[in-house]
Formats: sequence, C-alpha cells, structure tokens
Amino acid sequence: AQSVTQLGSHVSVSEGALVLLRCNYSSSVPPYLFWYVQYPNQGLQLLLKYTSAATLVKGINGFEAEFKKSETSFHLTKPSAHMSDAAEYFCAVSGGSQGNLIFGKGTKLSVKP
Amino acid sequence: DAGITQSPRHKVTETGTPVTLRCHQTENHRYMYWYRQDPGHGLRLIHYSYGVKDTDKGEVSDGYSVSRSKTEDFLLTLESATSSQTSVYFCAISAGKVSQFFGPGTRLTVL
Repeated sequence: AQSVTQLGSHVSVSEGALVLLRCNYSSSVPPYLFWYVQYPNQGLQLLLKYTSAATLVKGINGFEAEFKKSETSFHLTKPSAHMSDAAEYFCAVSGGSQGNLIFGKGTKLSVKP
Repeated sequence: DAGITQSPRHKVTETGTPVTLRCHQTENHRYMYWYRQDPGHGLRLIHYSYGVKDTDKGEVSDGYSVSRSKTEDFLLTLESATSSQTSVYFCAISAGKVSQFFGPGTRLTVL
C-alpha cells in the first residue's frame, strides 16, 4: 500500500534562508507525487507534481522538488524563504485505484524575520 | 482556480443530528472526493465518486454516506453526528488519476 512520511511536523527558517521540507514515500507502482500548500483557514493549493517526466519539478512561488527513486524521496526546496511562505505543506502520493491521494501529516513552515 | 464551492462553510450542530455538506463543481470533472482534515493526521479520504451514482468508501467512511445524482454535486451526509466528526471537510475534484483540486473547506463543530 502507498504511504507518505513527512519528516518534521514543524520547520522554522529565517527569511532568506533555504527551505527544505522532507517527504519519503512508499509505493508498489511508479508513483505520481504532489506537494500542496495550505495557508491559514484556506483550502489546499497545488504547488507542484511529479508524473514520471523530469525528475526535477518546478512549481509555483519558486518552489521545486526532486524525485529520487533510489531514496524514495520527493523533498521540497526553495532557495530563499519569504515571510509569505509561512503555511502548512502536504506531500501526497497517488494511491487508490480511483486516483485518490494518500497524504502525509503535514509540515508547518514558520519564517522568522 | 478550479470551480469548486462547498456549503456551508461553517456549521455548528448537536450530537445525534443529521448533517449534509454539499460540494459543487463547474469543471465537469468525473472524480470527486471527500476528505477530512484533523491535526496530526493530514487529510484522510472519507468517500469518493467516479461518476454519477458511482461511489465507494475511503479510509474513514464509518458514520458517513454520500450521494451523487448529478455530475456537479457530491453530497456528504453524517447520519447522526458525533463529537469525533468535528473536523474540517474538504471536497476535491479530478479529471483523471492525476492532480486533484480542492474546495475551500467546511468547518464542522459537533457539540
């Protein structure tokens, strides 16, 4: 069965510092992988997705993620954090037969001035 | 943004009462999903639909039922609400087995 593990429920970085949010997955088939962002009291917004094309995926707001099959990882990075990046981030893998997603438990990113 | 609305956006109800949440889409997507979001659990699938009148259970379906009589509407019913169903409920839609787009959510409190 597919599963997702996000390492670190809370990550704090300084403004301008590198953002690294970790995601490891388990999948019995080649996966589709996703990162979503949720701002306070809002729904989930798709940041980026991996669908078996390029292993380095660029998303919105300067985020990118690299699919590493050997490490079963799909970590999210951004070179320089902005205050507006403070939010909760969810990694997800395509799971069920009808395309439902399996989500990690989320990582809350705080950005210090 | 994908055309997904949820109603109501907020609801407070009492234990034992029935509650229906509505998800409406204007994208004509085939797949629709109901998730619940709870702290420390991420999002968990309750039920999903792969077409009109075609639905199936997800990971946490006990105490919930769904109906889809039209492509655009997917209803989630709590037949007898319990305090453990206090949560934020999200509807999602998908054209295929790739990206899902989420609605704004419904915050439900069961007293």
